[in-house]
Amino acid sequence: EAEVAQSPRYKITEKSQAVAFWCDPISGHATLYWYRQILGQGPELLVQFQDESVVDDSQLPKDRFSAERLKGVDSTLKIQPAELGDSAMYLCASSYGQGTYNEQFFGPGTRLTVL
Amino acid sequence: GNSVTQMEGPVTLSEEAFLTINCTYTATGYPSLFWYVQYPGEGLQLLLKATKADDKGSNKGFEATYRKETTSFHLEKGSVQVSDSAVYFCALGDSSYKLIFGSGTRLLVRP
Repeated sequence: EAEVAQSPRYKITEKSQAVAFWCDPISGHATLYWYRQILGQGPELLVQFQDESVVDDSQLPKDRFSAERLKGVDSTLKIQPAELGDSAMYLCASSYGQGTYNEQFFGPGTRLTVL
Repeated sequence: GNSVTQMEGPVTLSEEAFLTINCTYTATGYPSLFWYVQYPGEGLQLLLKATKADDKGSNKGFEATYRKETTSFHLEKGSVQVSDSAVYFCALGDSSYKLIFGSGTRLLVRP
């Protein structure tokens, strides 16, 4: 069964360092999402791609976060510099297309701890 | 703005007990409604969904009915199992294709 792959699964870093997370969506899925899930809360959308284009990045803290999906396949989310408040689970999801009738499939997430 | 409110957990039940997890929403327009489940160490999985008022979503013995008059989408199961222990998230899909999640409810089922 096809799955969304994410790496690393766990990342510990010190504040002010740079971190990067990678996501490989299910083959053929044009829409890719990055979510942040703070402990005890639900996921919050950071950025949404349709192929290689950003559709929604209204909740992405653009002073320190960046995301790219250069060839419309896999994607990288970067934080530079990391802050203590960035400690969270970062989830990637993909769907065949846009619209909430298209089921989003989630990866296992990357748990980030900033010390 | 659009939002989802779910009952706080943890919810602790004995095996074969009846489960209800309350979810209410605030939204403009006609959102779709979803329940996702997150098992320990795994990503979220879609459990069930409903796209219009009075629709009932069902899967694996779980059910939820889209109630527009009470803006609710409560999750129910008649007889829970230990394997149902997980965190359950209610979510709505708005007109901009964005999923908005509740804060999650942890369910613990004891043998």
